[in-house]
Amino acid sequence: EIVLTQSPATLSLSPGERVTLSCRASQSINTYLAWYQQRPGQAPRVLIYDASNRATGIPARFSGSGSGTDFTLTISSLEPEDFAVYYCQHRNEWPPGATFGQGTKLENK
Amino acid sequence: QVQLVESGGGVVQPGGSLRLSCAASGLTFPSYGMHWVRQAPGKGLEWVAVISAAGGTQYYEDSVKGRFTISRDNSQNTLYLQMDSLRVEDTAIYYCTKEGAVSGINKYFFDHWGQGTLVSVSS
Repeated sequence: EIVLTQSPATLSLSPGERVTLSCRASQSINTYLAWYQQRPGQAPRVLIYDASNRATGIPARFSGSGSGTDFTLTISSLEPEDFAVYYCQHRNEWPPGATFGQGTKLENK
Repeated sequence: QVQLVESGGGVVQPGGSLRLSCAASGLTFPSYGMHWVRQAPGKGLEWVAVISAAGGTQYYEDSVKGRFTISRDNSQNTLYLQMDSLRVEDTAIYYCTKEGAVSGINKYFFDHWGQGTLVSVSS
C-alpha cells in the first residue's frame, strides 16, 4: 500500500509570498499524482493532475512538479483565497483505490 | 455543467444502516468510474469505495469491506452507497466524486465532487 506524506502540516504566510508544498510517496508512483485545494465548508477541487498539469480553470500561479517519489505544489504569489488545506492524491489502474496525503494547511499570518 | 448531488445522510445508532445516493447530471454517467470519499470532522480525506463505469467491478477500503456496498444505476444516473453495521468511526461527510478524463482518456484523479452528505453515528 502506497503512503503519501505531506510536509509541513501547517504553514503561516502572507499574501504575495511564494510557497512550495511537499508530498512524498512511500514508493515510486511515476507521475500519478494530483493536488486538491479544500476551503472551509467546501468540497475539494482539483488543481493539478499527472503531477504537473493544471486542471481546467486553475490559475497559472499554481504549478506542480515531480516524479517517482517526490512531488511539489508551488503557488507563485499567494492570493487571499489561497489560504486553505491542500491534499495530494494517488491512484493506480489496479488496485483502483486511492490514497490521500494528510494535508497541509496554509494559514494567513 | 457537471453536477453531483448527494443525499441520504443523517443520524444513526451504532449497528444501524443508511443508504446514500448521488444524483449525477451534465455528464455521460455510464462512461466514468465513480468513487465515495469521506472526511471525518476536522480530519483529512479518506477514500472509501470505487465502482467501474459499467458497474461490474467494485473495490473498498479495508475498514468498510463487508459492511459497505457501492452500486450504480446507469439508467438513472445515480450512484449509491449502502452502509450497514455502522460504527462511530464512520461519522463523516461523504462525498461522491467522478474520475477525471482528459481528451476522452480516463485519468487517475477526481475532477468533480458533490457538496457531501453528513453521516453521524452516535448512540
